[in-house]
Amino acid sequence: QVQLVESGGGVVQPGRSLRLSCAASGFTFNSYAMLWVRQAPGKGLEWVALISYDGSNKYYADSVQGRFAISRDNSKNTLYLQMSSLRTEDTSIYYCARVDWGHAFDVWGQGTVVTISS
Amino acid sequence: QSALTQPASVSGSPGQSITISCTGTSSDVGNYNFVSWYQHHPGKVPKLMIYEGSKRPSGISNRFSGSKSGNTASLTISGLQAEDEADYYCCLYAGSSVVFGGGTKLTV
Repeated sequence: QVQLVESGGGVVQPGRSLRLSCAASGFTFNSYAMLWVRQAPGKGLEWVALISYDGSNKYYADSVQGRFAISRDNSKNTLYLQMSSLRTEDTSIYYCARVDWGHAFDVWGQGTVVTISS
Repeated sequence: QSALTQPASVSGSPGQSITISCTGTSSDVGNYNFVSWYQHHPGKVPKLMIYEGSKRPSGISNRFSGSKSGNTASLTISGLQAEDEADYYCCLYAGSSVVFGGGTKLTV
């Protein structure tokens, strides 16, 4: 079945780096744009980054521009989020999701928890 | 990238109908028919309920409907059920950015 599985979360000190992965299965990964969305404790959903189906276009929220990098490896059906210069405010559950043809996000992973703490 | 404005909370009794608003500007909600709505039960995965303003994905109950007037999109849930109690988010993906509303907690 169609599935997204995130991994790579953990506890990291401020200023350090972390890479999240999102493994896709059950659909033609290289036909879909993908994105990352996060939810901080007690807060709402926040868009982080989006990448086109072929990786040629990448877009970022202002809050992570210059610190985070989204990428994909279509040969491995995997989406990535490289996070650098991490701040305490980056503490969140990070979800990957598929962008469908209706400008919506129809498949979501279960999320991976990132905690930034000294 | 200003967040879309939603009421913090709404409530209703079983069987009733409620509407959640999502207000943007003429540059975002008013200019695109791409608003989507997500249901999010705490500890679970967000679920797409409405896309392109008013379309329901396969498997979503017709108790859920979406509409738009001017710069405000709305989600209406009719025949409220206990399992509808959740957080609801509107979202607009247009051009090169994505923006979510602040979320609305629905209490049934």
